[in-house]
Parts: sequence; structure tokens; C-alpha cells
Amino acid sequence: GGIITQTPKFLIGQEGQKLTLKCQQNFNHDTMYWYRQDSGKGLRLIYYSITENDLQKGDLSEGYDASREKKSSFSLTVTSAQKNEMAVFLCASSPGQGTEVFFGKGTRLTVV
Amino acid sequence: AQKVTQTQTSISVMEKTTVTMDCVYETQDSSYFLFWYKQTASGEIVFLIRQDSYKKENATVGHYSLNFQKPKSSIGLIITATQIEDSAVYFCAMREDSGYNKLTFGKGTVLLVSP
Repeated sequence: GGIITQTPKFLIGQEGQKLTLKCQQNFNHDTMYWYRQDSGKGLRLIYYSITENDLQKGDLSEGYDASREKKSSFSLTVTSAQKNEMAVFLCASSPGQGTEVFFGKGTRLTVV
Repeated sequence: AQKVTQTQTSISVMEKTTVTMDCVYETQDSSYFLFWYKQTASGEIVFLIRQDSYKKENATVGHYSLNFQKPKSSIGLIITATQIEDSAVYFCAMREDSGYNKLTFGKGTVLLVSP
């Protein structure tokens, strides 16, 4: 088995600040994802990556950057934190096409 | 563009009954994969069951099964003999075969199972 580790678990930022969330997986999976979940809502795809150094925009990519410098890690940057961005950010990975996705436990972002 | 819609916001059932959660999807692809996930109160998201579009037989895993109606672009999740611990949020998701592994989720259905 493997695990997806997201750091930090909780992140408090100032409005306008640049914030980075990190994700590591030891499954050796090719594809990794970043989703945002607002309170009581569904999961919206921000960025995903099908291999090292690849980046694909999701439906909610504006205001975010991502980086996949290694196969095992995928980071997400909030370029300028806004008060309406208080949400949980979920990282996930999968071995490839047609396979299920495994999720990390999330990073809860609060902007003050 | 792929789209997944779950119209039921919440469902309440009594323990040991059967419940069906609806999900419809939109895709231009002839080949795609459909998934159901469960998010527990702790926030953990776990994979439950999947259906490949080319398979005619409905998938079954434990007390979860699917009602795949391809002409209607529908993939319902059926939970039989529900238990209190089935109370959670259930998400439907789709990945197109040509979609570079993009995985799109519905907004989720809250299931409350009462004793």
C-alpha cells in the first residue's frame, strides 16, 4: 500500500499573500490532482498532472499555479489569497487511465 | 466537455433498507469510466466502485452495486441493507478515455441512515 501526505494540514494566510500547499505520494502513481472543496460542496478540479513536469488546467485554475518537478510530488500555489478561498484542498493520485483515484487527507486553508 | 450531475442533495433512510443515489453524466467520448466515492464525517474520501463504459454488466462490490443505463447516461449507486456507518456524502465521478486522466466529480449526495 501507499500513502498521500499533504502539508500543512492547516494553513492560515493573509489576504493577498502567496501560499504553497504540498503533496507527496509513495504509490509511484503517474497522475496527480489538486481539488478544492468548499464547505458542504463538491470537488472542483484545479490542476492535474499526468507525469513529471506535465501540467493540465482544471476547471478552477485561475488564481493558482502548480508544479510537478518530481513524480512523487505535486505542489499548488495560491497566487494571491482571497477571503472567499477558505476551503479544503485535496490532493489525489492514480496509476493511470481508467483507474481509481486515492486521496490525501486535505489542507484546510483559512484567509484572514 | 465532461460533466457530472447529482440532483439529490440529501437522502434519509432507515437502517437495513435499500437506497439508490442518482447520477447523470455528459460526454462526447465513446469510452469512459465512472466511479463512486464516499466522504466520511472525518473528511476522508474513499473509492467504492467503478463501471467501465464498454461493460454491459453492472458492477457489484459488497453491498454496493451500480445501475448503469448507458442510453440515459445514468449511473446510479445502490446500497442494500444500509448500516448507520453508511451515513456519508457520496460522489459520482467520470473520466473520459481521451481526457488525459481528467477526473470530474458531481456535487455529492448526503446520505443519512437512521436506526
